[in-house]
Amino acid sequence: GESVGLHLPTLSVQEGDNSIINCAYSNSASDYFIWYKQESGKGPQFIIDIRSNMDKRQGQRVTVLLNKTVKHLSLQIAATQPGDSAVYFCAENRPTDSWGKLQFGAGTQVVVTP
Amino acid sequence: EPEVTQTPSHQVTQMGQEVILRCVPISNHLYFYWYRQILGQKVEFLVSFYNNEISEKSEIFDDQFSVERPDGSNFTLKIRSTKLEDSAMYFCASGGGPETQYFGPGTRLLVL
Repeated sequence: GESVGLHLPTLSVQEGDNSIINCAYSNSASDYFIWYKQESGKGPQFIIDIRSNMDKRQGQRVTVLLNKTVKHLSLQIAATQPGDSAVYFCAENRPTDSWGKLQFGAGTQVVVTP
Repeated sequence: EPEVTQTPSHQVTQMGQEVILRCVPISNHLYFYWYRQILGQKVEFLVSFYNNEISEKSEIFDDQFSVERPDGSNFTLKIRSTKLEDSAMYFCASGGGPETQYFGPGTRLLVL
């Protein structure tokens, strides 16, 4: 069935290194994707989004890459810091859904080690 | 920086009781949402709301659920007769446009 999912459930990263979090999606018609960060006991926090007419978008220390050919989304975090430890979700808004209905992936736990 | 707020932060209720979860969206936002997250699982869409009416609801959002925007600032989710399986974290979100959504801190609901 159609789904949004993550390749790696847990990612351990050394402080200062770059992190790469991956996400696969199966609906080739999806045109909008978002990355959220969720710290323990808190709500999802918007990080960055990207539309399907782009293949790369950069924010502060973060870059999202979209490969529509293989239906793959990634989030790169530069110079990972302890405060980056959290669960990261990709989410998509599919054209078959009404606007605003986000389909979330399962999440990747990022653990930053000193 | 404006934030979505939710009350209460925690709610414990008996099965069969009604609960109302409250949210104050970001003030100039027009699009409102409820999601839930069962412990250890992914975030699930419940309902979207715009222009004083439901835009879409998931299969989870059955007749026991309702949403309301009683005034210009609050957005509520009511569960009429709670079940054990309603235990979850409930998140409200709002957006200035139909896509980018900002989430509140959540209400943890425990049904006994």
